[in-house]
Amino acid sequence: AQSVTQPDIHITVSEGASLELRCNYSYGATPYLFWYVQSPGQGLQLLLKYFSGDTLVQGIKGFEAEFKRSQSSFNLRKPSVHWSDAAEYFCAVNSGYSTLTFGKGTMLLVSP
Amino acid sequence: AAGVIQSPRHLIKEKRETATLKCYPIPRHDTVYWYQQGPGQDPQFLISFYEKMQSDKGSIPDRFSAQQFSDYHSELNMSSLELGDSALYFCASSFGLAGGNEQFFGPGTRLTVL
Repeated sequence: AQSVTQPDIHITVSEGASLELRCNYSYGATPYLFWYVQSPGQGLQLLLKYFSGDTLVQGIKGFEAEFKRSQSSFNLRKPSVHWSDAAEYFCAVNSGYSTLTFGKGTMLLVSP
Repeated sequence: AAGVIQSPRHLIKEKRETATLKCYPIPRHDTVYWYQQGPGQDPQFLISFYEKMQSDKGSIPDRFSAQQFSDYHSELNMSSLELGDSALYFCASSFGLAGGNEQFFGPGTRLTVL
């Protein structure tokens, strides 16, 4: 069965500093990988996705993620964090059928 | 651009009551998914429909049922509500069933069971 691990429950980053959120997946083949962001009480917004090809994918709001097959990882990065980036971030995997399996999420706090 | 619409946005029910949540997918999307997100939890897949037929089933309790109608909207029916059913219920839609198809999420329905 597929699974996703986000090892960091909370991360605090200073505004303007760089950010990396970790995501590891477990799946036998190359999965479809996604990063979603959720503001409090809101729905999930897709930041970016990886299907195949270039392992560095660009998303919205200045985010990018790199797929590393050898490490089964799909870490999310942003070079300079803004206060509006404070939210919860979910990594998700899809095995090729339809169901998304989410990680437990990482809450990003941005300090002034 | 049109998004996924969910109604109601908030719902308060008593234990043992029933509730119906509605989801209107993005126009021309033929696949609908339901997820449940408990407080401080990640979204858990409940059930999905493609072209009005159930396509996949997750951790949906037997007390819950769902269907997709001819206009592609979907309803999640919840009976004998329990306190533990209090959660944010998301609907998502996509075009087609392929794994890589992006699922667009609605704003969710917050269900509170008292």
